[in-house]
Amino acid sequence: AQTVTQSQPEMSVQEAETVTLSCTYDTSESDYYLFWYKQPPSRQMILVIRQEAYKQQNATENRFSVNFQKAAKSFSLKISDSQLGDAAMYFCAYRRAHYGGATNKLIFGTGTLLAVQP
Amino acid sequence: ETGVTQSPTHLIKTRGQQVTLRCSSQSGHNTVSWYQQALGQGPQFIFQYYREEENGRGNFPPRFSGLQFPNYSSELNVNALELDDSALYLCASSLADRGGGTGELFFGEGSRLTVL
Repeated sequence: AQTVTQSQPEMSVQEAETVTLSCTYDTSESDYYLFWYKQPPSRQMILVIRQEAYKQQNATENRFSVNFQKAAKSFSLKISDSQLGDAAMYFCAYRRAHYGGATNKLIFGTGTLLAVQP
Repeated sequence: ETGVTQSPTHLIKTRGQQVTLRCSSQSGHNTVSWYQQALGQGPQFIFQYYREEENGRGNFPPRFSGLQFPNYSSELNVNALELDDSALYLCASSLADRGGGTGELFFGEGSRLTVL
């Protein structure tokens, strides 16, 4: 069974600084997707960034980038130029590439609560 | 504004009761999945519906059941409520196919269920 581990329950960063959130996962699959989701107090999960396992290039979305190390099964999220609006719970998630049915079964980590200090 | 709406936003039930949670998918989406998020935890996959049929289920007992309607809206039903059922229930919709489409999931804001 696949598992996702986030070992940092809480992190804090100064506004405009850079922070890295860690995630490791375990799987025997070779083809899969990895995601970072943001959950603010409004509770709505918002997709931050996505990485396909077959792509060697790390995904980037504006201030957000990932460091995907497939052999080490590591998938960290870097937030540059942190803003107050980045404060939220961040979840790392895994999804198999081919379910043949349940295409949207995401396996989530336990989350990292990010605080942004002004 | 993702277009996925859930109701009710909060509700309180007592142990043994039954509850129905509702989800309206984003326009054009044909797949809906439900997740349970206990306090301080990540969401856990309950099941998914594709074109009105359940086509994937997580490790949840049969007292968790669902429906998807022709307009792709959905319900989650939980019978014989237990204290551990207290959680945030998230609905997510996407446009997917049985071949393993990779449509992005759009989540609603969830329904907070408290079981006393």
